[in-house]
Amino acid sequence: SQQGEEDPQALSIQEGENATMNCSYKTSINNLQWYRQNSGRGLVHLILIRSNEREKHSGRLRVTLDTSKKSSSLLITASRAADTASYFCAPNQAGTALIFGKGTTLSVSS
Amino acid sequence: GAVVSQHPSWVICKSGTSVKIECRSLDFQATTMFWYRQFPKQSLMLMATSNEGSKATYEQGVEKDKFLINHASLTLSTLTVTSAHPEDSSFYICSARVPTGGAYEQYFGPGTRLTVT
Repeated sequence: SQQGEEDPQALSIQEGENATMNCSYKTSINNLQWYRQNSGRGLVHLILIRSNEREKHSGRLRVTLDTSKKSSSLLITASRAADTASYFCAPNQAGTALIFGKGTTLSVSS
Repeated sequence: GAVVSQHPSWVICKSGTSVKIECRSLDFQATTMFWYRQFPKQSLMLMATSNEGSKATYEQGVEKDKFLINHASLTLSTLTVTSAHPEDSSFYICSARVPTGGAYEQYFGPGTRLTVT
């Protein structure tokens, strides 16, 4: 298993703006998963993108994956105050446990 | 999505006592579950992998005699913190793995906050 490295570590934006956070990893993967964690809560699964996929959408979320650069990005469009949370990426080889980095702390102010 | 529950959501215990935390998959069967620990303002740290019907696999540095894991059924894994000490105070989160078309998604419980006094 390997952990991803999220960037930036902290991001502050206004409601309605887009938020972009990036993830880099070191070795080849089967898939990459993004999670959200609200303060004091468990993780919520957002999106899984497979290594043969380049882009995936879910509502206001857009995830890209560039396996040649070993990087992924998560875009949240039209942010809301409720999007305030920590976001984690988890690059994954098939069948292994997910390992988490420090995440990106997103703060959306109204 | 799959639902994972934990019980209790928080617990306070005295130093030297043991505490059991339950993790259940509510609408699916989970042959593999994971236990994580999270200290304030830090990321989740994987403690162990729990496989139904077999012994858990612990990560380096995690004491298996202190953190007892039992995965006796396909919907229940338990973590027992034995002889708890204040440094064991943390947020414990379990996760269950769900196969998804050649990959696995992990779904997490809401966490259990343990405070040892």
